[in-house]
Amino acid sequence: GESVGLHLPTLSVQEGDNSIINCAYSNSASDYFIWYKQESGKGPQFIIDIRSNMDKRQGQRVTVLLNKTVKHLSLQIAATQPGDSAVYFCAENMGYGGATNKLIFGTGTLLAVQP
Amino acid sequence: GAVVSQHPSWVICKSGTSVKIECRSLDFQATTMFWYRQFPKQSLMLMATSNEGSKATYEQGVEKDKFLINHASLTLSTLTVTSAHPEDSSFYICSAKVGSSNQPQHFGDGTRLSIL
Repeated sequence: GESVGLHLPTLSVQEGDNSIINCAYSNSASDYFIWYKQESGKGPQFIIDIRSNMDKRQGQRVTVLLNKTVKHLSLQIAATQPGDSAVYFCAENMGYGGATNKLIFGTGTLLAVQP
Repeated sequence: GAVVSQHPSWVICKSGTSVKIECRSLDFQATTMFWYRQFPKQSLMLMATSNEGSKATYEQGVEKDKFLINHASLTLSTLTVTSAHPEDSSFYICSAKVGSSNQPQHFGDGTRLSIL
């Protein structure tokens, strides 16, 4: 039978350009959001986080924007470098009234940086 | 800081074998650790939340008798895949969190499990 391949959304950018990776989250009650970078064969690496009482947070070369009205999160990477090539996941923290919180991951975006 | 170590990184074994994967927080204590499963080109799916000194909380659809979790200390959680079969082949990743809510989870580098 025919096999169906799974394809990650891919963002291809030129080295030195800025990258914007978008994510839609599901739960309006989520109070904390994280962006992770995952290189092939490795676990996710923390990039930046933002709490729901903020709409923007900046790190080194990265900025996260949060729009709670439309449940949208974005990660901006300035001056993208070949080492930024990886899969990027957003994750929302779903709390349970003080019980153990858990993260729900988005589907991921493959960032491919062209030299 | 906040380093999570996972062992082994890769294991190949025969069908019917039980496999144990260790997850250690090296420089912090973790009352809560998490186990995820990831298929190729897919996202991470939470399997269970491991609580030190108590029973793990499993996500819907995850068989607790198939995936045994033990969190006997503040720095170690183990996942045992019992009587593994080819369909259990996957990338298993653990994470741990420093402190309580609104802190990032820190991930190990995963275990590639291949069942022949």
